[in-house]
Amino acid sequence: DAMVIQNPRYQVTQFGKPVTLSCSQTLNHNVMYWYQQKSSQAPKLLFHYYDKDFNNEADTPDNFQSRRPNTSFCFLDIRSPGLGDAAMYLCATSRDRRSRIQETQYFGPGTRLLVL
Amino acid sequence: GESVGLHLPTLSVQEGDNSIINCAYSNSASDYFIWYKQESGKGPQFIIDIRSNMDKRQGQRVTVLLNKTVKHLSLQIAATQPGDSAVYFCAENNHNQGGKLIFGQGTELSVKP
Repeated sequence: DAMVIQNPRYQVTQFGKPVTLSCSQTLNHNVMYWYQQKSSQAPKLLFHYYDKDFNNEADTPDNFQSRRPNTSFCFLDIRSPGLGDAAMYLCATSRDRRSRIQETQYFGPGTRLLVL
Repeated sequence: GESVGLHLPTLSVQEGDNSIINCAYSNSASDYFIWYKQESGKGPQFIIDIRSNMDKRQGQRVTVLLNKTVKHLSLQIAATQPGDSAVYFCAENNHNQGGKLIFGQGTELSVKP
């Protein structure tokens, strides 16, 4: 089945130790998103890629970076995780974000990040 | 560790009853709306969507109603089952803002057997 895959499902890191989360998709969607979701809150958009075009949200800290080497893969890099970065990180994809016809975003299962 | 989250609104229903989850959206220019279901520890799962040229759309056991006059969206679940227990998020989208999804706060649905 076509899907959005995130690895690992659970990630434990130490305070200040860089960590990378990965996302892959078999939907062949050209837009990929990274969201942060904290307990009992809605997902918060960090940034997205439209093809190779990176779009950062204004309030996303510099500590968060992303890479998209090809259509199928996208990575979230947290350069120096703090305790406040512990959260669920969700990857999503959609078909064409700049079309006047909006497309649904499909989410992966998420990676739960714990910072010790 | 993780900061303490907010308390979500909660809806508790008896198995077999119908559920109605409401959402007020903020932007009158929004023209596409989605309902997601999120089970504990999982990613949001698409349930149903509706565009602003419609006021009602039905899926399997679910119906979404859109009232643009009062900027209100609702999700109706027929014959609610224990497997429907989850947090439900509405999301609005406006192509003039590049299609960015704006999520509502979420409602936790609890189904009593």
